[in-house]
Amino acid sequence: NAGVTQTPKFRVLKTGQSMTLLCAQDMNHEYMYWYRQDPGMGLRLIHYSVGEGTTAKGEVPDGYNVSRLKKQNFLLGLESAAPSQTSVYFCASSTLTGTANYGYTFGSGTRLTVV
Amino acid sequence: EDQVTQSPEALRLQEGESSSLNCSYTVSGLRGLFWYRQDPGKGPEFLFTLYSAGEEKEKERLKATLTKKESFLHITAPKPEDSATYLCAVQARNSGYALNFGKGTSLLVTP
Repeated sequence: NAGVTQTPKFRVLKTGQSMTLLCAQDMNHEYMYWYRQDPGMGLRLIHYSVGEGTTAKGEVPDGYNVSRLKKQNFLLGLESAAPSQTSVYFCASSTLTGTANYGYTFGSGTRLTVV
Repeated sequence: EDQVTQSPEALRLQEGESSSLNCSYTVSGLRGLFWYRQDPGKGPEFLFTLYSAGEEKEKERLKATLTKKESFLHITAPKPEDSATYLCAVQARNSGYALNFGKGTSLLVTP
């Protein structure tokens, strides 16, 4: 049981380049989330999805787009990367009924540097 | 606006020296309060969910408690392997099930 898998683990981009971060979960969870973690800022929600084909904005959505075409995958896209998007990105998934015992399951993160 | 404040920012303990971490919160309708542990270079690892004031949960040397305004994570007789960053998060009833995190407490336990 792999849980939540994020690819890639590390990436360096030049300003203006685009990329897609992939999150895959094998737990049949309905809900999926993208967070970014910056020193002194904690984890901040970028976008989330409550089901296949649905997405919603979180606290810091500007500069990012997401898609959830399949239940098990949640993609985070950067159309034109900026140095301010240098961060560690975490994907998480959850179910409503399983939250009490299992919480949200996080991936191991993608460390992105924009130069 | 929902707010989560953790204190202290950093804590250094000797092995066996018990202490508590604090998480103060303001939220418009609490659905749940979560505690996570995060090791360097890794994603957060789930510890507890608390739902109502007065509730307590335990796991090994950790015990989490909840009041209407704050939660405490009590660490009894810590060991060096308990060193990590501990994150608190709240889930509001109108949040779409997303978590709002505090900035964390970095705990170092020395032998």
